[in-house]
Amino acid sequence: SQKIEQNSEALNIQEGKTATLTCNYTNYSPAYLQWYRQDPGRGPVFLLLIRENEKEKRKERLKVTFDTTLKQSLFHITASQPADSATYLCALRLNRDDKIIFGKGTRLHILP
Amino acid sequence: EAGVAQSPRYKIIEKRQSVAFWCNPISGHATLYWYQQILGQGPKLLIQFQNNGVVDDSQLPKDRFSAERLKGVDSTLKIQPAKLEDSAVYLCASSLSKTRGNYEQYFGPGTRLTVT
Repeated sequence: SQKIEQNSEALNIQEGKTATLTCNYTNYSPAYLQWYRQDPGRGPVFLLLIRENEKEKRKERLKVTFDTTLKQSLFHITASQPADSATYLCALRLNRDDKIIFGKGTRLHILP
Repeated sequence: EAGVAQSPRYKIIEKRQSVAFWCNPISGHATLYWYQQILGQGPKLLIQFQNNGVVDDSQLPKDRFSAERLKGVDSTLKIQPAKLEDSAVYLCASSLSKTRGNYEQYFGPGTRLTVT
């Protein structure tokens, strides 16, 4: 069956450390993968996009990797801050029929 | 630049009643999406418009849900009749035309629907 899995439980990280979130998928062939941030009571906000032929993307303190062999994307926040606390969603856009599939998200808590 | 606008922000209805949500996308965005987000889940795509044409409505429960995008700008999503399991946040998003290779979606704040 087709699945997208993100860290199932909330992730608690000490301020200043690197937070690493995981997005694994099975039986999908994504054209690209996106990461979004969602705060309570708000819509998701786009952060980064990485294409199937790219290994890594960076934006300020954010880094995304994409391994189509492992069927996994890792999302890193370096020098984490309490303001980074939110739910982070990964989304796949599929090659086959251009559908967009979101994961359930991972709640990240950065502890001061 | 104004963001995606949605109204109402909250709605409480009884089951079997009808409800409508409105979305105004970012000016110039050809693609519009409606998502349903149940608590603790990721957004689930209900329908995608390209201008005023439907691109994908495969996950829209068509026996009770309908959506339209007149003139390729604003959109409305309607539920009639509502069921308890429709309680969720309904998110509208827009993006520039996919033919330009720009897939970044901009989301509105959502409408929280509670069906009692």
